[in-house]
Amino acid sequence: DADVTQTPRNRITKTGKRIMLECSQTKGHDRMYWYRQDPGLGLRLIYYSFDVKDINKGEISDGYSVSRQAQAKFSLSLESAIPNQTALYFCATSDGSQETQYFGPGTRLLVL
Amino acid sequence: SQQGEEDPQALSIQEGENATMNCSYKTSINNLQWYRQNSGRGLVHLILIRSNEREKHSGRLRVTLDTSKKSSSLLITASRAADTASYFCATDKAAGNKLTFGGGTRVLVKP
Repeated sequence: DADVTQTPRNRITKTGKRIMLECSQTKGHDRMYWYRQDPGLGLRLIYYSFDVKDINKGEISDGYSVSRQAQAKFSLSLESAIPNQTALYFCATSDGSQETQYFGPGTRLLVL
Repeated sequence: SQQGEEDPQALSIQEGENATMNCSYKTSINNLQWYRQNSGRGLVHLILIRSNEREKHSGRLRVTLDTSKKSSSLLITASRAADTASYFCATDKAAGNKLTFGGGTRVLVKP
């Protein structure tokens, strides 16, 4: 079984709708991250969390919110989706004692 | 804005050849990492080099780091078709903090 899972894997929604992307991990890591990737570009950090009570904005947090429900779960919400939020979204985890990150398979989001 | 910029943006080579890609960054770092992404999938960590290291090897991968030039290179030797992927450098300003990714190099290895 995958250590970092994301649901849904694909989502089509309409402008103005609220949607939630979910991430779960079985690695026991404290740190979790949400990134977005646009075609042909690298990843940009949206939000990150170093433990259940810690939430931090990343480079591009406007239009997004997150919830860290438990150590293993980190959700990303788009309160009112807009077309330029069409992208590939990745969740990642890391252990505070290591610097590497472990990525989920991604959620492909299309906002019409 | 992205911390790392990668060069070239795309690279096409024959199987068995070496592939070299470069990454430049703007601010001081604690470490620099390279990741691989296969066709829209999640990124996979390849190798990490710390700011006090100059060269590191892992299998067919060789990474160099020049902190005076704020640049790194990734060399894949004896490439295989399975190495076809996008490769990203990522910098970490403070150990275990958060990564800033470059735009990536798309590598195509032709059989």
